[in-house]
Amino acid sequence: NAGVTQTPKFQVLKTGQSMTLQCAQDMNHNSMYWYRQDPGMGLRLIYYSASEGTTDKGEVPNGYNVSRLNKREFSLRLESAAPSQTSVYFCASSEFGGTGWNEQFFGPGTRLTVL
Amino acid sequence: AQSVTQPDIHITVSEGASLELRCNYSYGATPYLFWYVQSPGQGLQLLLKYFSGDTLVQGIKGFEAEFKRSQSSFNLRKPSVHWSDAAEYFCAASGGSYIPTFGRGTSLIVHP
Repeated sequence: NAGVTQTPKFQVLKTGQSMTLQCAQDMNHNSMYWYRQDPGMGLRLIYYSASEGTTDKGEVPNGYNVSRLNKREFSLRLESAAPSQTSVYFCASSEFGGTGWNEQFFGPGTRLTVL
Repeated sequence: AQSVTQPDIHITVSEGASLELRCNYSYGATPYLFWYVQSPGQGLQLLLKYFSGDTLVQGIKGFEAEFKRSQSSFNLRKPSVHWSDAAEYFCAASGGSYIPTFGRGTSLIVHP
């Protein structure tokens, strides 16, 4: 049981390059999320997918796109990377518990630097 | 709007001292409440959660939290802090159709 896995762990890009961050979960959760974490800013939600086939913008979606490939996989794409997207990116998954979302399970993160 | 507030950005304690990290929430109804811990270079790990029932909940690593409806608070406590508890702590809430909301985090520094 791997939980939530993310690839790659580290990445360095040049401004304007594109890349896709991959995330997969093996807990059969319906909901998946992408966050970025910057010093002093906590976790900020980029996009989420409440269930397979749906995606919605979070707090900071500009410059990103997502794909919910299937129930297990949720990818985040940077089409034209900018230095402001230098951050640590976390993927998470959870399940709806009736009156709210249950705890989230987080991946180990991807540390992205854009030069 | 739904929100979670952690008033303390940094907390410094001596090893062996007690700890309390504050968390306040603003939601339309009593949400599900969570505390997560993030060690340096790691992802977030659930410490404990409150859904309903007993307002004092026990978690992993000797942590506990108390839900106080009247104060809209869910403070995290530990009687005796160990050096390995140095980490970032996040309070979070979810309720109704609203996706989980996180506080900004509190950084715990432990002095020997």
